[in-house]
Amino acid sequence: GEDVEQSLFLSVREGDSSVINCTYTDSSSTYLYWYKQEPGAGLQLLTYIFSNMDMKQDQRLTVLLNKKDKHLSLRIADTQTGDSAIYFCAEMGGGQGFSFIFGKGTRLLVKP
Amino acid sequence: DAGVIQSPRHEVTEMGQEVTLRCKPISGHNSLFWYRQTMMRGLELLIYFNNNVPIDDSGMPEDRFSAKMPNASFSTLKIQPSEPRDSAVYFCASGTSGSYNEQFFGPGTRLTVL
Repeated sequence: GEDVEQSLFLSVREGDSSVINCTYTDSSSTYLYWYKQEPGAGLQLLTYIFSNMDMKQDQRLTVLLNKKDKHLSLRIADTQTGDSAIYFCAEMGGGQGFSFIFGKGTRLLVKP
Repeated sequence: DAGVIQSPRHEVTEMGQEVTLRCKPISGHNSLFWYRQTMMRGLELLIYFNNNVPIDDSGMPEDRFSAKMPNASFSTLKIQPSEPRDSAVYFCASGTSGSYNEQFFGPGTRLTVL
């Protein structure tokens, strides 16, 4: 069945790089996404990557996509305490429309 | 734009009571999604609508759950009767098919069933 897997927890020191990993199942996914959820709030799109790309960089964020291994990663450079949040990997599900399948989320804790 | 609006933000009720959660999507969006988030199960898609029509309700846990979208600017998720295991944060999201299909999430309704 369809499933998106992520590690549940990551702790880093302020200023270090954070790498959050994800594996997905649907090789036909056109887009893959990273969402961020801050405490008490809904999810917000952080970045996305088109499936024909290997890498996408957006300021401190770098997304790497390995289609062969169905592996997606999010690297946050110079991690700040404000980056502490839950990060969700998502792929577009099958069927009609565009429902997403989300991972369980990785809780990132940035220590000062 | 005010974004996706959900009400109430918090709901505490007793087992057996009916609960109605409300959502106003972003104007112009033609898709609406209801999700449930718990620590144990993460974020689960319950149902989604396209142009007010339910497309996939396979995530709705059981017959106690129902969702409606009477028009493009309003949707409800109803639980009747509610049970303690329904306690969760319920999110509504809206979007429109486009270049990358972003979904915009509301702030969520935290439901506690005693």
